[in-house]
Amino acid sequence: AQSVTQLGSHVSVSEGALVLLRCNYSSSVPPYLFWYVQYPNQGLQLLLKYTSAATLVKGINGFEAEFKKSETSFHLTKPSAHMSDAAEYFCAVLRGGSYIPTFGRGTSLIVHP
Amino acid sequence: NAGVTQTPKFRILKIGQSMTLQCTQDMNHNYMYWYRQDPGMGLKLIYYSVGAGITDKGEVPNGYNVSRSTTEDFPLRLELAAPSQTSVYFCASSNRQGLNRNTEAFFGQGTRLTVV
Repeated sequence: AQSVTQLGSHVSVSEGALVLLRCNYSSSVPPYLFWYVQYPNQGLQLLLKYTSAATLVKGINGFEAEFKKSETSFHLTKPSAHMSDAAEYFCAVLRGGSYIPTFGRGTSLIVHP
Repeated sequence: NAGVTQTPKFRILKIGQSMTLQCTQDMNHNYMYWYRQDPGMGLKLIYYSVGAGITDKGEVPNGYNVSRSTTEDFPLRLELAAPSQTSVYFCASSNRQGLNRNTEAFFGQGTRLTVV
């Protein structure tokens, strides 16, 4: 079964520092990969999604992710963290042959002033 | 655009009570899902539906039931509430676009349920 693993349940950075949130996938076929963000007391919203057209994917709010087949990774980055980026981030993959998203456990991003 | 709407936002239930969590979407999406979110565990799929009249179990269906009589509505029923069902529940929807599976899910704001 296709799944994703998010390394680190919490990531803490200073405002202005690089953000790196890790996601590895297990898939024997090209995966459909997504990053979602959840702000406090809200539902999830899409940050970005992988398409086979490009390995570097740009999303909203300055986030981007790079698909690396050799490392089975789809890590999320942002060059400079803002206080408003503090949230829970979820990596997701579609179940094999379906439209059903399967989510990682999530990573809580903490941004210090 | 309303998107996916869930009601209620909060609810406290006593053990053994029953309730229905409502979910409706106005995007004409054919796929709908119910997830529960517990701290540190991500989202677990409870039930899903690929269209009106068709539902199927997800990873954690025990203690829940669903129906999908229309494209828009996908209510989740808890028959005999138990403390283990204390969680945040999210409804979501997505749309099949021909052979393109690269479609994201749209989420409601969630229902925070406490069973005491």
